Amino acid sequence: QKEVEQNSGPLSVPEGAIASLNCTYSDRGSQSFFWYRQYSGKSPELIMFIYSNGDKEDGRFTAQLNKASQYVSLLIRDSQPSDSATYLCAVNWAGANSKLTFGKGITLSVRP
Amino acid sequence: DTGVSQNPRHKITKRGQNVTFRCDPISEHNRLYWYRQTLGQGPEFLTYFQNEAQLEKSRLLSDRFSAERPKGSFSTLEIQRTEQGDSAMYLCASLRSVGTGVGNEQFFGPGTRLTVL
Repeated sequence: QKEVEQNSGPLSVPEGAIASLNCTYSDRGSQSFFWYRQYSGKSPELIMFIYSNGDKEDGRFTAQLNKASQYVSLLIRDSQPSDSATYLCAVNWAGANSKLTFGKGITLSVRP
Repeated sequence: DTGVSQNPRHKITKRGQNVTFRCDPISEHNRLYWYRQTLGQGPEFLTYFQNEAQLEKSRLLSDRFSAERPKGSFSTLEIQRTEQGDSAMYLCASLRSVGTGVGNEQFFGPGTRLTVL
């Protein structure tokens, strides 16, 4: 198993729908989990991070972390065409000096 | 704009040439990271600095690659004798290390896209 896996995708949802993006990770005493958005040809932009089990909400975005099942997800409510991008899941392993290990990303397309 | 800048934004070079990229982090950030991203993949860690000290290098960083961060401010990444496989987006990120590191947020610069012909 790869360290950080984002296998579902590409994902297409209609405007206004909820987009659900999933990420699984290897158990290495993981510490913090980050979601980045990356538009084509641009650099990653931080959306939010989570480090405690449960949900964390920020506007239309909700991150969910389940350490027992080793997955982290990002929900985007009321999806907009401007949300169309690649979403990268990243993990900061404990003792890794904050360096990030990324999944390969999930491409989301929001249809008008 | 995250406040992290990188130059140049694009670089086209011929195989065998040397190239150098620069990253200017957010001024109060003591840590600086370099990543490389190829098409369809997530960024991969290359190296990082705490102030002026280079504390870790990835196995991806062959001996053709060298990075510096003199005086703990800007950083440079040099690739000698470039190969076509070096073609990628080179990303710089900075953060202000706080406490245990939980939730330390990295902010990325716009990247330098390298094309080796």
